[in-house]
Amino acid sequence: QITLEESGPRLVTPTQTVTLTCTFSGFSLTTSGVGVGWIRQPPGKALELLALVYWNGYKHFSPSLNNRLSITKDTSRNQVVLTVTDMDPVDTAIYYCAHILYSGSGRHCFHYWGQGTLVTVSS
Amino acid sequence: EIVMTQSPVTLSVSPGERATLSCRASQSVTNNLAWYQHKPGQTPRLLIYDASIRATGIPARFSGSGSGTEFTLTISSLQSEDFAVYYCQHYNNWPLLTFGGGTTVEIK
Repeated sequence: QITLEESGPRLVTPTQTVTLTCTFSGFSLTTSGVGVGWIRQPPGKALELLALVYWNGYKHFSPSLNNRLSITKDTSRNQVVLTVTDMDPVDTAIYYCAHILYSGSGRHCFHYWGQGTLVTVSS
Repeated sequence: EIVMTQSPVTLSVSPGERATLSCRASQSVTNNLAWYQHKPGQTPRLLIYDASIRATGIPARFSGSGSGTEFTLTISSLQSEDFAVYYCQHYNNWPLLTFGGGTTVEIK
């Protein structure tokens, strides 16, 4: 059974850096073709892909936030960490992590998601 | 960036009726399109990929169709558990994946 769970601060102040952790089970980021993505949804707005990291170390960042994002994987702990710098109230959103495959049936789709964590940016 | 537009924003349907949801891409995504269901308090669930293939465990009342820029998700006979928000997502130019704004299917 594959599960993912997001954790991190619920409230951050503007200009702060936020670190979000995705802890997963039921799969390994050492398995060929496996990846984890971070997606967010601001209140009343669409889902937005932020970043991807794959088993082979490949990383992708949203072009609109590229210089504010970093993503790392810790295969021994089954965790993926997303860091977002210079947070602004417009970054208030539910942040999800999700499992994704690079190849095979259902490639490039998010098969399993965490419940999401609401991050509010306010002074 | 390929923009995905879903319509309608809200769809009011009675249980047992058919629901038809639309997703339009700003340029062709061939058949590289997925649909998700999201219910309050639950994690989003992958329903359909490659425009028309049901994901594992998805009931046959869910079907997807379309290619190019126009796609449809049909729920043949709405059950109480189907009232939710539905999103489309293209993956035609991975890794630039984008989602639609969602359609809320509510009880009429």
